[in-house]
Amino acid sequence: AQSVAQPEDQVNVAEGNPLTVKCTYSVSGNPYLFWYVQYPNRGLQFLLKYITGDNLVKGSYGFEAEFNKSQTSFHLKKPSALVSDSALYFCAVRDINTGGFKTIFGAGTRLFVKA
Amino acid sequence: DTEVTQTPKHLVMGMTNKKSLKCEQHMGHRAMYWYKQKAKKPPELMFVYSYEKLSINESVPSRFSPECPNSSLLNLHLHALQPEDSALYLCASSPRLGGEPYEQYFGPGTRLTVT
Repeated sequence: AQSVAQPEDQVNVAEGNPLTVKCTYSVSGNPYLFWYVQYPNRGLQFLLKYITGDNLVKGSYGFEAEFNKSQTSFHLKKPSALVSDSALYFCAVRDINTGGFKTIFGAGTRLFVKA
Repeated sequence: DTEVTQTPKHLVMGMTNKKSLKCEQHMGHRAMYWYKQKAKKPPELMFVYSYEKLSINESVPSRFSPECPNSSLLNLHLHALQPEDSALYLCASSPRLGGEPYEQYFGPGTRLTVT
């Protein structure tokens, strides 16, 4: 079965420091991986995705993610955190077992950036 | 226009009421989704429409009835809901189902409270 795991419920980081939000995946076949962010009382916003090619994917708002096949990970990173980055982050994988019709979301990681 | 709109933003309804949620997109997307999201949890897929036809129903109770009147509109009709149905209901769209792993564009959601 396709799945993603976000091992941390919460990540705390000081403004200006680098941040990492972790995600590991378990898929059969090629993984199609996504990161979404959700601000309070809002819908999800797409940040970036990995389909194939370069293992370092750059996305919106200065975020990037590194695909690591040997470690089955797709961690989200940002070199310098902003207070406004505080939000709920979801890693997701497209479920090829349903012809790609479904997206499976991780449990989410809450990021707190302290000024 | 890369926006998905949802109305109303908030809805309070009694268990005997009938109400509808509305979702609209003008991006030419042919796949549309309804999700239910409880606080601090990932979105749970309810329904998927592809080219105005229902493709996936995730065993959702019949008190939720989806409708896709045209390629831009998606409705969710609600009847005889239970208090546990209180949640944020998110609509999303993507260019198509399957094939290219498209990201989803989410609306801001409707916050539903069932009393």
